[in-house]
Amino acid sequence: SQTIHQWPATLVQPVGSPLSLECTVEGTSNPNLYWYRQAAGRGLQLLFYSVGIGQISSEVPQNLSASRPQDRQFILSSKKLLLSDSGFYLCAWARVAGNTIYFGEGSWLTVV
Amino acid sequence: DQQVKQNSPSLSVQEGRISILNCDYTNSMFDYFLWYKKYPAEGPTFLISISSIKDKNEDGRFTVFLNKSAKHLSLHIVPSQPGDSAVYFCAATTGGGADGLTFGKGTHLIIQP
Repeated sequence: SQTIHQWPATLVQPVGSPLSLECTVEGTSNPNLYWYRQAAGRGLQLLFYSVGIGQISSEVPQNLSASRPQDRQFILSSKKLLLSDSGFYLCAWARVAGNTIYFGEGSWLTVV
Repeated sequence: DQQVKQNSPSLSVQEGRISILNCDYTNSMFDYFLWYKKYPAEGPTFLISISSIKDKNEDGRFTVFLNKSAKHLSLHIVPSQPGDSAVYFCAATTGGGADGLTFGKGTHLIIQP
């Protein structure tokens, strides 16, 4: 069976500090990978998606970036965090041409 | 512009009764619709889905209805149980696309004992 894990689960970072959230998927090959953010009152917002190694599409302009160095690894980064980056970040995966997305446990980021 | 709308931020239902969660969409290209359930501080879990070629899909206590002409779908939970208390997200996508799902803002369902 397929599993998805992301870490860290909770993060408190000062404004201007860097960020790295990691996500790995097991039990499947060449998945589509996603980063979503849930901010208060705004539902689930798609930030990035990837259909393969090194292939990243950005949905929302921001100071965040994503990378996919390996087939089942997806990383969300920032060089300098802003207060507005606070939120609940979710990594997710889907099969190629699949409609259902499966989410990880989520990572709480608080920028102070 | 919000393409998927859940106009009720919260809904309170008595245990044992039917819960009906509603969702509207504006993009006529959407052809697959999903419902997710989310507990606080956890990732959403997939609940049930429906293709645009159908108007109903049932899985145990959960039934999703799709009205394409009205661009409206609903999730029925019968009977409602305490464990159903959660935030429910409606989502939509076009043709197995890799660009993810478009989500509504969610409805917080509260099951009263």
